[in-house]
Amino acid sequence: KAGVTQTPRYLIKTRGQQVTLSCSPISGHRSVSWYQQTPGQGLQFLFEYFSETQRNKGNFPGRFSGRQFSNSRSEMNVSTLELGDSALYLCASSAAGTSGIDEQFFGPGTRLTVL
Amino acid sequence: GEDVEQSLFLSVREGDSSVINCTYTDSSSTYLYWYKQEPGAGLQLLTYIFSNMDMKQDQRLTVLLNKKDKHLSLRIADTQTGDSAIYFCAEKRDSSASKIIFGSGTRLSIRP
Repeated sequence: KAGVTQTPRYLIKTRGQQVTLSCSPISGHRSVSWYQQTPGQGLQFLFEYFSETQRNKGNFPGRFSGRQFSNSRSEMNVSTLELGDSALYLCASSAAGTSGIDEQFFGPGTRLTVL
Repeated sequence: GEDVEQSLFLSVREGDSSVINCTYTDSSSTYLYWYKQEPGAGLQLLTYIFSNMDMKQDQRLTVLLNKKDKHLSLRIADTQTGDSAIYFCAEKRDSSASKIIFGSGTRLSIRP
């Protein structure tokens, strides 16, 4: 079974631009979560999508948005990029949804650099 | 990971035991996890413990949970160079939601 894939793996943008990151979950998984990882803030939860609906949201500004398609693939968008948005963006999928151990399977991440 | 705290670094000698500690804040957390992140890779679930358990052992890994103190630890016996990684403690607070809060991660380095 293929793992979680994220594209692109690396991205360089300039301040003010916008960016779209893509995540394909493990086949059959309906929940996709996004995290931002930085050396200073660690791993922070952005949001979670389940069956095309945003189910949970972290404490990030509205510049960060996402969506999920009917095939469970998810995209994350960041508009008006700031230098502080430079980070590794991780996507994770899970099958359990809410109950159970809810093991999250992580992709390798997209490293975004904002210049 | 503002509400789940871990020390940032740990250095141990090869063959010794490593103990990584974590404190969390929500006493209603249902599951607590340990994830491992190797360089250039995403996170991988190492082990987990349900909140009504005190201890869980899985080969070289031992997880201890002290609910009263909200303290979780991961012990790695006979630490090997392949154990070098960042270890994240995480908690699932809401049994009705798929939202997991991660600690800042502990970087484990192995001395020869």
